[in-house]
Amino acid sequence: DIQMTQSPSSLSASVGDRVTITCRASQSINTYLNWYQQKPGKAPTLLIFGASSLRSGVPSRFSGSGSGTYFTLTISSLQTEDFATYYCQQSTTTLYTFGQGTKLEIK
Amino acid sequence: EVQLVESGGGLVQPGGSLRLSCVASGFTFNTYWMHWVRQAPGKGLVWVSRISSDGTSTSYADSVKGRFTISRDNAKNTVYLQMNSLRAEDTAVYYCSPDPGYSYGQFDYWGQGTLVTVSS
Repeated sequence: DIQMTQSPSSLSASVGDRVTITCRASQSINTYLNWYQQKPGKAPTLLIFGASSLRSGVPSRFSGSGSGTYFTLTISSLQTEDFATYYCQQSTTTLYTFGQGTKLEIK
Repeated sequence: EVQLVESGGGLVQPGGSLRLSCVASGFTFNTYWMHWVRQAPGKGLVWVSRISSDGTSTSYADSVKGRFTISRDNAKNTVYLQMNSLRAEDTAVYYCSPDPGYSYGQFDYWGQGTLVTVSS
Protein backbone atom coordinates (compact mmCIF):
# COMPACT_ATOMS: atom_id res chain seq x y z
CA ASP A 1 0.00 0.00 0.00
CA ILE A 2 1.08 3.58 -0.61
CA GLN A 3 1.74 5.50 2.59
CA MET A 4 1.09 9.22 2.77
CA THR A 5 3.04 11.29 5.29
CA GLN A 6 2.07 14.86 6.08
CA SER A 7 4.19 17.41 7.87
CA PRO A 8 3.90 19.08 10.19
CA SER A 9 1.24 17.25 12.22
CA SER A 10 0.24 20.55 13.76
CA LEU A 11 0.99 24.15 13.03
CA SER A 12 0.32 27.41 14.83
CA ALA A 13 -0.01 30.52 12.70
CA SER A 14 -1.57 33.96 12.68
CA VAL A 15 -4.16 35.57 10.45
CA GLY A 16 -2.38 36.89 7.37
CA ASP A 17 0.45 34.36 7.52
CA ARG A 18 1.53 32.26 4.55
CA VAL A 19 1.60 28.57 5.45
CA THR A 20 2.68 25.46 3.62
CA ILE A 21 1.78 21.87 4.43
CA THR A 22 3.74 19.02 2.92
CA CYS A 23 2.59 15.57 1.86
CA ARG A 24 4.97 12.82 0.80
CA ALA A 25 4.03 9.54 -0.87
CA SER A 26 5.94 6.32 -0.29
CA GLN A 27 6.10 5.82 -4.05
CA SER A 28 5.29 7.88 -7.10
CA ILE A 29 1.64 8.82 -7.49
CA ASN A 30 2.07 11.16 -10.47
CA THR A 31 -0.47 13.91 -9.69
CA TYR A 32 -3.17 11.72 -8.19
CA LEU A 33 -3.18 13.80 -5.04
CA ASN A 34 -6.10 15.63 -3.46
CA TRP A 35 -6.38 17.98 -0.48
CA TYR A 36 -9.26 18.35 1.97
CA GLN A 37 -10.18 20.69 4.79
CA GLN A 38 -12.13 19.48 7.80
CA LYS A 39 -13.61 21.50 10.63
CA PRO A 40 -14.68 19.95 13.94
CA GLY A 41 -17.89 17.97 13.74
CA LYS A 42 -18.18 18.39 9.98
CA ALA A 43 -17.49 16.23 6.96
CA PRO A 44 -14.34 17.06 4.98
CA THR A 45 -14.53 19.38 1.99
CA LEU A 46 -12.43 19.11 -1.16
CA LEU A 47 -9.99 21.96 -1.81
CA ILE A 48 -7.57 20.78 -4.48
CA PHE A 49 -7.63 17.84 -6.89
CA GLY A 50 -5.03 16.50 -9.26
CA ALA A 51 -2.33 18.09 -7.09
CA SER A 52 -2.91 21.64 -8.32
CA SER A 53 -6.48 22.15 -9.59
CA LEU A 54 -8.59 24.36 -7.37
CA ARG A 55 -12.11 23.12 -6.84
CA SER A 56 -14.75 25.57 -8.00
CA GLY A 57 -15.72 27.94 -5.20
CA VAL A 58 -12.55 27.47 -3.17
CA PRO A 59 -10.76 30.76 -2.46
CA SER A 60 -7.70 31.46 -4.59
CA ARG A 61 -5.51 31.86 -1.52
CA PHE A 62 -5.36 28.05 -1.55
CA SER A 63 -2.94 26.45 -3.99
CA GLY A 64 -1.37 23.05 -4.50
CA SER A 65 1.72 21.85 -6.27
CA GLY A 66 3.90 18.81 -6.74
CA SER A 67 4.11 15.52 -8.56
CA GLY A 68 5.62 12.12 -8.03
CA THR A 69 6.21 11.80 -4.29
CA TYR A 70 6.31 15.38 -2.99
CA PHE A 71 3.34 17.73 -2.72
CA THR A 72 2.48 20.97 -0.99
CA LEU A 73 -0.65 22.84 0.00
CA THR A 74 -0.11 26.56 0.47
CA ILE A 75 -2.45 29.13 1.98
CA SER A 76 -1.16 32.51 0.90
CA SER A 77 -2.79 34.66 3.58
CA LEU A 78 -4.53 32.86 6.40
CA GLN A 79 -8.07 33.85 7.24
CA THR A 80 -9.93 33.03 10.44
CA GLU A 81 -12.05 30.42 8.67
CA ASP A 82 -8.96 28.52 7.51
CA PHE A 83 -8.11 27.20 10.96
CA ALA A 84 -8.97 23.54 10.53
CA THR A 85 -7.39 20.16 9.85
CA TYR A 86 -6.04 19.40 6.39
CA TYR A 87 -5.62 15.99 4.76
CA CYS A 88 -3.95 14.80 1.59
CA GLN A 89 -5.25 11.72 -0.22
CA GLN A 90 -3.81 9.60 -3.02
CA SER A 91 -5.84 7.69 -5.57
CA THR A 92 -3.33 6.17 -7.93
CA THR A 93 -3.99 2.60 -6.86
CA THR A 94 -7.13 0.63 -6.08
CA LEU A 95 -6.42 1.22 -2.38
CA TYR A 96 -6.80 4.92 -1.66
CA THR A 97 -4.98 6.36 1.34
CA PHE A 98 -5.05 9.58 3.35
CA GLY A 99 -2.30 11.37 5.16
CA GLN A 100 -2.57 11.56 8.93
CA GLY A 101 -3.69 15.18 8.88
CA THR A 102 -2.26 18.59 9.76
CA LYS A 103 -4.06 20.63 12.39
CA LEU A 104 -3.75 24.35 11.76
CA GLU A 105 -4.30 26.38 14.91
CA ILE A 106 -4.40 30.05 15.74
CA LYS A 107 -1.21 31.40 17.33
CA GLU B 1 -27.89 19.21 -5.70
CA VAL B 2 -25.89 16.16 -4.66
CA GLN B 3 -27.14 14.55 -1.46
CA LEU B 4 -25.73 11.58 0.39
CA VAL B 5 -27.56 10.23 3.41
CA GLU B 6 -25.86 7.56 5.47
CA SER B 7 -27.75 5.46 8.01
CA GLY B 8 -27.55 2.22 9.94
CA GLY B 9 -24.98 3.16 12.55
CA GLY B 10 -25.42 2.48 16.22
CA LEU B 11 -24.05 0.63 19.23
CA VAL B 12 -23.00 -2.98 18.67
CA GLN B 13 -21.07 -5.46 20.77
CA PRO B 14 -17.66 -6.74 19.71
CA GLY B 15 -18.09 -9.58 17.26
CA GLY B 16 -21.44 -8.25 16.11
CA SER B 17 -22.65 -7.04 12.72
CA LEU B 18 -24.15 -3.91 11.22
CA ARG B 19 -25.20 -2.88 7.73
CA LEU B 20 -24.71 0.72 6.73
CA SER B 21 -26.66 2.31 3.89
CA CYS B 22 -26.00 5.41 1.84
CA VAL B 23 -28.80 6.81 -0.33
CA ALA B 24 -27.58 9.11 -3.07
CA SER B 25 -29.34 11.72 -5.19
CA GLY B 26 -28.51 14.61 -7.48
CA PHE B 27 -26.16 12.73 -9.80
CA THR B 28 -26.25 9.72 -12.11
CA PHE B 29 -25.56 7.12 -9.45
CA ASN B 30 -25.02 4.16 -11.77
CA THR B 31 -22.07 5.85 -13.47
CA TYR B 32 -20.09 6.54 -10.32
CA TRP B 33 -17.83 4.41 -8.19
CA MET B 34 -18.80 4.68 -4.52
CA HIS B 35 -16.50 4.73 -1.52
CA TRP B 36 -16.73 4.43 2.24
CA VAL B 37 -14.35 6.45 4.41
CA ARG B 38 -14.26 6.35 8.20
CA GLN B 39 -12.98 8.52 11.00
CA ALA B 40 -12.45 7.28 14.54
CA PRO B 41 -13.19 9.82 17.30
CA GLY B 42 -10.44 12.42 17.36
CA LYS B 43 -8.49 10.65 14.62
CA GLY B 44 -7.85 11.08 10.90
CA LEU B 45 -9.64 9.96 7.78
CA VAL B 46 -9.23 6.35 6.67
CA TRP B 47 -10.35 4.99 3.34
CA VAL B 48 -12.33 1.76 3.84
CA SER B 49 -13.71 0.40 0.59
CA ARG B 50 -14.92 1.15 -2.92
CA ILE B 51 -17.19 -0.43 -5.48
CA SER B 52 -17.34 0.07 -9.23
CA SER B 53 -20.31 1.66 -10.94
CA ASP B 54 -21.73 -1.71 -12.00
CA GLY B 55 -20.86 -3.45 -8.75
CA THR B 56 -18.52 -5.99 -10.30
CA SER B 57 -15.27 -4.66 -8.80
CA THR B 58 -14.56 -4.00 -5.13
CA SER B 59 -11.53 -3.06 -3.03
CA TYR B 60 -10.93 -3.00 0.72
CA ALA B 61 -8.43 -1.61 3.16
CA ASP B 62 -6.37 -4.35 4.78
CA SER B 63 -7.88 -3.51 8.17
CA VAL B 64 -11.38 -4.58 7.05
CA LYS B 65 -10.71 -7.15 4.35
CA GLY B 66 -12.57 -10.37 5.01
CA ARG B 67 -14.91 -8.72 7.51
CA PHE B 68 -16.61 -5.95 5.53
CA THR B 69 -18.51 -6.26 2.25
CA ILE B 70 -19.48 -3.37 0.02
CA SER B 71 -22.41 -3.69 -2.36
CA ARG B 72 -24.82 -1.47 -4.24
CA ASP B 73 -28.32 -1.39 -5.66
CA ASN B 74 -28.37 0.95 -8.63
CA ALA B 75 -32.15 0.75 -8.85
CA LYS B 76 -32.34 2.25 -5.36
CA ASN B 77 -29.37 4.63 -5.70
CA THR B 78 -27.95 3.00 -2.59
CA VAL B 79 -24.58 1.67 -1.53
CA TYR B 80 -24.18 -0.63 1.46
CA LEU B 81 -21.43 -1.64 3.82
CA GLN B 82 -21.99 -4.94 5.60
CA MET B 83 -19.74 -5.02 8.63
CA ASN B 84 -19.17 -8.35 10.41
CA SER B 85 -16.90 -9.43 13.26
CA LEU B 86 -16.79 -5.87 14.49
CA ARG B 87 -13.97 -4.74 16.75
CA ALA B 88 -13.54 -1.80 19.08
CA GLU B 89 -11.18 -0.24 16.55
CA ASP B 90 -14.00 -0.11 13.99
CA THR B 91 -15.66 2.58 16.11
CA ALA B 92 -15.91 5.59 13.83
CA VAL B 93 -18.09 7.90 11.80
CA TYR B 94 -18.58 6.30 8.40
CA TYR B 95 -18.98 8.50 5.33
CA CYS B 96 -19.90 7.57 1.78
CA SER B 97 -18.66 9.49 -1.25
CA PRO B 98 -18.99 9.20 -5.02
CA ASP B 99 -16.07 9.05 -7.45
CA PRO B 100 -16.62 9.52 -11.19
CA GLY B 101 -13.68 7.23 -11.89
CA TYR B 102 -12.30 9.32 -14.71
CA SER B 103 -10.73 12.19 -12.78
CA TYR B 104 -8.25 12.13 -9.90
CA GLY B 105 -10.23 9.99 -7.49
CA GLN B 106 -11.25 13.02 -5.51
CA PHE B 107 -14.19 13.06 -3.12
CA ASP B 108 -16.21 16.09 -4.16
CA TYR B 109 -19.21 15.26 -2.02
CA TRP B 110 -19.67 13.72 1.40
CA GLY B 111 -22.65 12.72 3.48
CA GLN B 112 -23.13 13.71 7.09
CA GLY B 113 -21.81 10.35 8.26
CA THR B 114 -23.22 7.66 10.52
CA LEU B 115 -21.61 6.76 13.84
CA VAL B 116 -20.74 3.15 14.60
CA THR B 117 -19.78 2.36 18.19
CA VAL B 118 -18.41 -1.08 19.00
CA SER B 119 -18.46 -1.64 22.73
CA SER B 120 -19.67 -4.11 25.32
